[in-house]
Amino acid sequence: AQTVTQSQPEMSVQEAETVTLSCTYDTSESDYYLFWYKQPPSRQMILVIRQEAYKQQNATENRFSVNFQKAAKSFSLKISDSQLGDAAMYFCAYRGGATNKLIFGTGTLLAVQP
Amino acid sequence: NAGVTQTPKFQVLKTGQSMTLQCAQDMNHEYMSWYRQDPGMGLRLIHYSVGAGITDQGEVPNGYNVSRSTTEDFPLRLLSAAPSQTSVYFCASSYSPSAGIYEQYFGPGTRLTVT
Repeated sequence: AQTVTQSQPEMSVQEAETVTLSCTYDTSESDYYLFWYKQPPSRQMILVIRQEAYKQQNATENRFSVNFQKAAKSFSLKISDSQLGDAAMYFCAYRGGATNKLIFGTGTLLAVQP
Repeated sequence: NAGVTQTPKFQVLKTGQSMTLQCAQDMNHEYMSWYRQDPGMGLRLIHYSVGAGITDQGEVPNGYNVSRSTTEDFPLRLLSAAPSQTSVYFCASSYSPSAGIYEQYFGPGTRLTVT
C-alpha cells in the first residue's frame, strides 16, 4: 500500500525568507502524481502545486517550487519570499495514475513570523 | 459555478443519532469522494464514487453509508453516530483520470461533534 510521510509537524519561517517542507512517499507504482495542498485557518483545501511522476522537471508555481527526487521517493516544497498569508497547514498527497484516490500525509503547520 | 458545496457547516449529534451530510457539485465531475480529517492524521478516504450508481469503500468506511443517484450529489450518512466520528468531513470532486485533469476540488468542510 502507498504511504505518505511528513516528518515535520511544525515549521517556522521569517517573513521574506525561504522555507522547505519535507515529504517522502512509498509506492510500487510507476505512474502517479504528487500534490501539495494548503489549508489555512478557513479550513478550505487549496491546491498549491502538483508533479507528474513521469516528468523529470520540477514543478514551479510563482513562489512555490518542488524538489522531486523520484529514486529517493522524496517530494519537498520550497516557499520563497515567505508571506504572512502563507501561514497554514500544508499537506503532501499522492495519487496513483489510474485512480482519483488521494493519500495524504499528516501535515506540517507553517508559521510565518513578521 | 458554485463548485463543491457542503451542508451543514457545523453539526452536534448525540451518540446513536443518525444524520446525512450533503455534498453537491455543479462541474459535471464523474468522481466524488468523502474524507475525514482528524488531528495528527491528515485526511483519510471514507467512500468514493466514480459515477452515478457506483460507489466503493475507502480507507475508513465503517459507520458510514453513501449513495450516488445523480452526478451532482453524493450524500454521506452516519447511521448511528459515535464519539469516534467526531471529525471534520470534506467532500471532493474531480474528472475521471482519463480526462487528464488532475485537480480535486474540495468543499468547505463540515465540523461534526458527537457527544
